[in-house]
Amino acid sequence: DAGITQSPRHKVTETGTPVTLRCHQTENHRYMYWYRQDPGHGLRLIHYSYGVKDTDKGEVSDGYSVSRSKTEDFLLTLESATSSQTSVYFCAIAIGQGGNQPQHFGDGTRLSIL
Amino acid sequence: AQKVTQAQTEISVVEKEDVTLDCVYETRDTTYYLFWYKQPPSGELVFLIRRNSFDEQNEISGRYSWNFQKSTSSFNFTITASQVVDSAVYFCALSDNLSGGATNKLIFGTGTLLAVQP
Repeated sequence: DAGITQSPRHKVTETGTPVTLRCHQTENHRYMYWYRQDPGHGLRLIHYSYGVKDTDKGEVSDGYSVSRSKTEDFLLTLESATSSQTSVYFCAIAIGQGGNQPQHFGDGTRLSIL
Repeated sequence: AQKVTQAQTEISVVEKEDVTLDCVYETRDTTYYLFWYKQPPSGELVFLIRRNSFDEQNEISGRYSWNFQKSTSSFNFTITASQVVDSAVYFCALSDNLSGGATNKLIFGTGTLLAVQP
């Protein structure tokens, strides 16, 4: 158990509303990631963080922002949700020293935007 | 550009059959790492294995085995004597310094859905 908690686990909201997803870890790992999973696309990286207040964009960052004010929390925000952002969102952390470490994932958040 | 291809979208086998899931990767880097993940119907992603580009020895873990061949840029995954509990989506992933290995960034394939029928 990598000690990753995602909240909420499910959310239904309307187009144009702001949405924030939370990822919480208990083990002070430096690297954290947000992915979205869609049929036919596998997992695609949205944003990642390499420390408090240190974040960078991934492959599909448009329409998303992130924040990391504490080591243990990594927030993903959809400022104005669109139907194309309906997806399953996974948070992950990298465990181990050095690069190219495996990532361990939270249980996911199923987000539906109507 | 870095890329991972899992050409098999879906595979269906009967229990006790052996099954191989294919993974082909592209990278210009000489140092890279390959991973396999399992996503059962419950939805969580489970890390299975990590191999580096300097170690081409096959790996076996119980009924699971992995065949890494640099000559064909492949990292295939074989399940021997499959069981219903092996039913899942399996993802292959790549990490290299060009895609940001120091930041542990992964490039995933699109996954293979394995259905094991009783």
